[in-house]
Amino acid sequence: DSGVTQTPKHLITATGQRVTLRCSPRSGDLSVYWYQQSLDQGLQFLIQYYNGEERAKGNILERFSAQQFPDLHSELNLSSLELGDSALYFCASSVAGTNNEQFFGPGTRLTVL
Amino acid sequence: GNSVTQMEGPVTLSEEAFLTINCTYTATGYPSLFWYVQYPGEGLQLLLKATKADDKGSNKGFEATYRKETTSFHLEKGSVQVSDSAVYFCALSDRGKSSGDKLTFGTGTRLAVRP
Repeated sequence: DSGVTQTPKHLITATGQRVTLRCSPRSGDLSVYWYQQSLDQGLQFLIQYYNGEERAKGNILERFSAQQFPDLHSELNLSSLELGDSALYFCASSVAGTNNEQFFGPGTRLTVL
Repeated sequence: GNSVTQMEGPVTLSEEAFLTINCTYTATGYPSLFWYVQYPGEGLQLLLKATKADDKGSNKGFEATYRKETTSFHLEKGSVQVSDSAVYFCALSDRGKSSGDKLTFGTGTRLAVRP
């Protein structure tokens, strides 16, 4: 158990819909990262937050957005969903200054029908 | 940009065989290097790491040495077990102002160990 929690574990929805994925980092970790794992793209970095502020952006679509709240939990919002958005979405967290050892949650499996 | 190249899988070995999974990287700075493992139906777990040249990371019998001259970080284990069957990901982190602390992953190598 990494200490990072993600909800829900599975999500099935239809094209055009909007969903919210939630992540709670390990106690004391200020950084939260979101990654997408798909068969064709592999593991891709989406976005990083540090102590409530956006720190870096990767290959995140404009239809996707994220935020980190004062209690440090984070949400990833996916809208106007397409079939190709079906993937595993992982959240990870880390403590600043630890050479970026990231701890991953169990993931949310999103299926868009 | 940064990139990580791993050997294609799947790798199929008999129990107690020697394992090598090759990993090479391209980075602009001085990255930290990692191996993560993903067991079926689970998230990624950090297996080992190295933060500077010539460092050796080790854990659970697995080892990898950070070789700056060959830009490599090959994963080795002297005697694999059935329980080592999983997907192994090589990754790097090259902390930069614009890239933050993101991890760049290789494509993953699936290992299957036969009894």
